[in-house]
Amino acid sequence: DIQMTQSPSSVSASVGDRVTITCRASQGISNWLAWYQQKPGKAPKLLIYGASSLQSGVPSRFSGSGSGTDFTLTINSLQPEDFATYYCQQANSFPITFGQGTRLEIK
Amino acid sequence: QVQLQESGPGLLKPSETLSLTCTVSGGSTSSYYWNWIRQPPGKGLEWIGYIYYTGSTKYNPSLKSRATISLDTSKNQFSLKLSSVTAADTAVYYCARRVVRPPERDDSFDFWGQGTMVTVSS
Repeated sequence: DIQMTQSPSSVSASVGDRVTITCRASQGISNWLAWYQQKPGKAPKLLIYGASSLQSGVPSRFSGSGSGTDFTLTINSLQPEDFATYYCQQANSFPITFGQGTRLEIK
Repeated sequence: QVQLQESGPGLLKPSETLSLTCTVSGGSTSSYYWNWIRQPPGKGLEWIGYIYYTGSTKYNPSLKSRATISLDTSKNQFSLKLSSVTAADTAVYYCARRVVRPPERDDSFDFWGQGTMVTVSS
């Protein structure tokens, strides 16, 4: 199985800040990477697919980059509704696997 | 807008079989991949498996052949059965649509149900 490791596990930031979350795959996955946002008690929401393509309806302050084994999710100008847990997911090979999550908290 | 809704028992005893159904509205199950994903309390996401609209299936080997996913296109529903459950199967179970678009390297879950909590306890 491909292991997905996110860092940091948690991060504190303020409204208006820029935050970067990293996801590393245990082997190369090309651009087969997606990012999700999950709020407490809710299902995950797709933000980014193909490592850098923004899902329809997602604000442009979210962006993704990377290829191969190292990927980043950047959130510019944090808004109050962005405080949540973020997961990366690979689909280069089965089984599909997710990172352990990064909790974004209000400072 | 596609919507998914899980249904099924919320409490099981060890060794019983978990049975969940996902009802799809606003779209047809006669295309796409239909998936089950679970999340133990306070933990991360685990992909369980999918059924394609053709009927082909694929499962996570970690479940050791305990999972079976079926599809009823006439009812626009798909289902999960997980046999011989233990406390380790306690989780929120989500159904989700998986979209695959190779030219865009897109293989992601774009629509999700709200999730249903399943507890395994004697």
